[in-house]
Formats: sequence, C-alpha cells, structure tokens
Amino acid sequence: AQSVAQPEDQVNVAEGNPLTVKCTYSVSGNPYLFWYVQYPNRGLQFLLKYITGDNLVKGSYGFEAEFNKSQTSFHLKKPSALVSDSALYFCAVSSSSGGGADGLTFGKGTHLIIQP
Amino acid sequence: DAGVIQSPRHEVTEMGQEVTLRCKPISGHDYLFWYRQTMMRGLELLIYFNNNVPIDDSGMPEDRFSAKMPNASFSTLKIQPSEPRDSAVYFCASSLQGASEQFFGPGTRLTVL
Repeated sequence: AQSVAQPEDQVNVAEGNPLTVKCTYSVSGNPYLFWYVQYPNRGLQFLLKYITGDNLVKGSYGFEAEFNKSQTSFHLKKPSALVSDSALYFCAVSSSSGGGADGLTFGKGTHLIIQP
Repeated sequence: DAGVIQSPRHEVTEMGQEVTLRCKPISGHDYLFWYRQTMMRGLELLIYFNNNVPIDDSGMPEDRFSAKMPNASFSTLKIQPSEPRDSAVYFCASSLQGASEQFFGPGTRLTVL
C-alpha cells in the first residue's frame, strides 16, 4: 500500500522568507509525486508534479519541489513567501506499477501561514 | 473550458434519504475520480473510472455507496440510505492520462442530519 506523510500540521513563515513544506512517501515501484494547494471552500489546484527526469521540479506561482529518492522525500519550496501563499497544501503519490493511473493517495495536508 | 463541474455545491438532507452527487469532467479526459474529504480522515479516493469503466472501487465505504459513469461527460455518486457520518466534502476530478495531473471540481459539501 502506498502512503504519504506530511509531518507538520502547520508551517509559519514571515513574508519574504523562504518556505519549505515537507513530504515523505512510501510506494511500490517508481513514484509519481504531486503537490496541490487548497484555498478555503475551494477545490484542489495542481501546483507541480514529478514523474521522471530532473529531481528539481518547477511549478506554478514560483513553487518548486525536490525529489530525493534515497530519502523518499518530495519537499515543496519557495524562495520568497507571499501572504497570498497562505493555504492548505497537499502532497500526493501514485505508482508507476499502475502506469500512474491509480487514484492519488494524499497526505493529511499542511497549513501554510505567511505572516506579513 | 469550464473545468470540472459538480452539482449541487451544497446538499443538506436527513438521515435515510437518498443523495445523488453529479460530476461533469473536462472534455477529452479519460479518467474520472471521486474523493471524499473529512477533517478526521483527510482526502480519500473512493472510486475511479477509465473510459467510463470502473477500475478500482476499493475505497467505497460500503454498499450504501454506488457510482456510475454512463458516458464520457457525466458521472454520479449515490448514497442510499445516507447517514450522518457521510457528511463530508465530495470532490470529483478528471485527468487526461494516468500519470498526468488531476483537475478537481469545486466539491459538494454534504450534510446529513
């Protein structure tokens, strides 16, 4: 069975500072990794994904994530946080064993709070 | 494209009643997923379809839940009879291919009294 861990329920960062939201995963086969963001009373919005290739993936709104196979991690990062980045962030995984066609397994989410 | 469309956005019903949630995926997408979000359990995959065929329904909680996809542009999730513990936000998502990103609808907030 595949699983995702987001060890922090909440991350607080001052505006302008770099941010990191942590994610580790467990999956059979090669992982397909995703980050989504959810604003209050809204659906999830896709930020970025890792399928194969370069370990550093760039996505929407200046976010990036680094895939680390040995540490089974896929941490989300941004060099300079904005107040508008405050939201709930989800890491998700599916497996290459199903061609990536399986539904996503999500972490429990991390509340990111950017303080002015 | 209007994105994934879900209806209704909010549903309040009484225990024992039948509830039907509806989803229209993005045109041309081959995969459709139903998820449920609760505070206690987070986001859970309920079922997904490929080319209108159910592939994995292992996440469906019990026989009270059923899902159909009669054509490429429409899917329903039905709960009969509904119970208070079914209260949650139900999301529909679609994707073009198996490994591609999923696009989520706005969700249906279900409250069962």
